[in-house]
Amino acid sequence: GAVVSQHPSRVICKSGTSVKIECRSLDFQATTMFWYRQFPKQSLMLMATSNEGSKATYEQGVEKDKFLINHASLTLSTLTVTSAHPEDSSFYICSADNSGANVLTFGAGSRLTVL
Amino acid sequence: GIQVEQSPPDLILQEGANSTLRCNFSDSVNNLQWFHQNPWGQLINLFYIPSGTKQNGRLSATTVATERYSLLYISSSQTTDSGVYFCAVDSDSWGKLQFGAGTQVVVTP
Repeated sequence: GAVVSQHPSRVICKSGTSVKIECRSLDFQATTMFWYRQFPKQSLMLMATSNEGSKATYEQGVEKDKFLINHASLTLSTLTVTSAHPEDSSFYICSADNSGANVLTFGAGSRLTVL
Repeated sequence: GIQVEQSPPDLILQEGANSTLRCNFSDSVNNLQWFHQNPWGQLINLFYIPSGTKQNGRLSATTVATERYSLLYISSSQTTDSGVYFCAVDSDSWGKLQFGAGTQVVVTP
């Protein structure tokens, strides 16, 4: 079945540094990937849609300069949290559109802790 | 945007019991999926079910699109069924899922 890999699964960083999270579709090509954020005990909130070869589209209230998204190939999207602060600590999850399968496949998530 | 409400918010079951989780949505949908999030955060797709009924082992789901609700049935629950169950839908743009708040299920031995 379709597999989406996220890396790293956990990352701890100091306030002010930048962190990059990768989302890879392992056995299919994905022109579109989606990034979500989940705070503890809460639901998933869509942050942005990552489009291969073009700019990402961000949901209302999500700072595009804060959360940089790059989708340079059909199997890889990256989310960079720039100048991270403790309030950015969260669980970040990506999903990929396995076109033709009518099912969105989710990665295992990346837990970011900013000290 | 579309609203998604799940009930109940919490459910405690004894092993072997059956249960029903509900998802109400405020508009017509192109996609409805049920997920199980395990304690490590991994989302497992259970059903893609914008309409109709599907079964997979001890789990089954029914979506009545005209009445804007979906039900997830868990039969003969096991401790491994514990976790959070999410319903998620999209309406006007494929893949942009709107998640419900989830149902936290705890199955006790």
